[in-house]
Amino acid sequence: AQRVTQPEKLLSVFKGAPVELKCNYSYSGSPELFWYVQYSRQRLQLLLRHISRESIKGFTADLNKGETSFHLKKPFAQEEDSAMYYCALSGGNQGGSEKLVFGKGTKLTVNP
Amino acid sequence: KAGVTQTPRYLIKTRGQQVTLSCSPISGHRSVSWYQQTPGQGLQFLFEYFSETQRNKGNFPGRFSGRQFSNSRSEMNVSTLELGDSALYLCASSPWQGSPEAFFGQGTRLTVV
Repeated sequence: AQRVTQPEKLLSVFKGAPVELKCNYSYSGSPELFWYVQYSRQRLQLLLRHISRESIKGFTADLNKGETSFHLKKPFAQEEDSAMYYCALSGGNQGGSEKLVFGKGTKLTVNP
Repeated sequence: KAGVTQTPRYLIKTRGQQVTLSCSPISGHRSVSWYQQTPGQGLQFLFEYFSETQRNKGNFPGRFSGRQFSNSRSEMNVSTLELGDSALYLCASSPWQGSPEAFFGQGTRLTVV
């Protein structure tokens, strides 16, 4: 079964501090992993995908297949990073359709 | 390009009633997925439509159904509403079936009283 676990419901850091949002997954095949973000009063939007291996707004995430993890990191948090972050997994089925399975989210608060 | 549009934004219904929610995907997108978001369960997949056919379905009772039209617009219907159906219903569109990125609408907030 596909499962995504975000162990922290809430995470609070000070501006300029490093931040790491944890994500672990369970999937038997080769999943595609994503981080989605929802800022206050905005729609859910894609932050980054593991296959693109890019840094978005200073955030990076590395897929660790051995530890089945896809943690989101930023070396210096900013107040505007305060938001709800969701880790998501996509895995195909026989029909080729790939639904997203989401973790329950981590609310990040960056304090001044 | 206009984003994913969901109507209505807010809805209040009583138990036992039925409701229809609408989603207009991004122009040119042909795949539409629906999710239910609640504080306790988070985001849960309801179903996915592509080319007017349901391609994938989550673990929800048969009271939840949907359809997609030839212009890719989609509707979802919930019959015999229960208090537990109160949630934010999100629609996401993708360019094609199996596309890795989903673009979300702002959701319809359904309250069942």
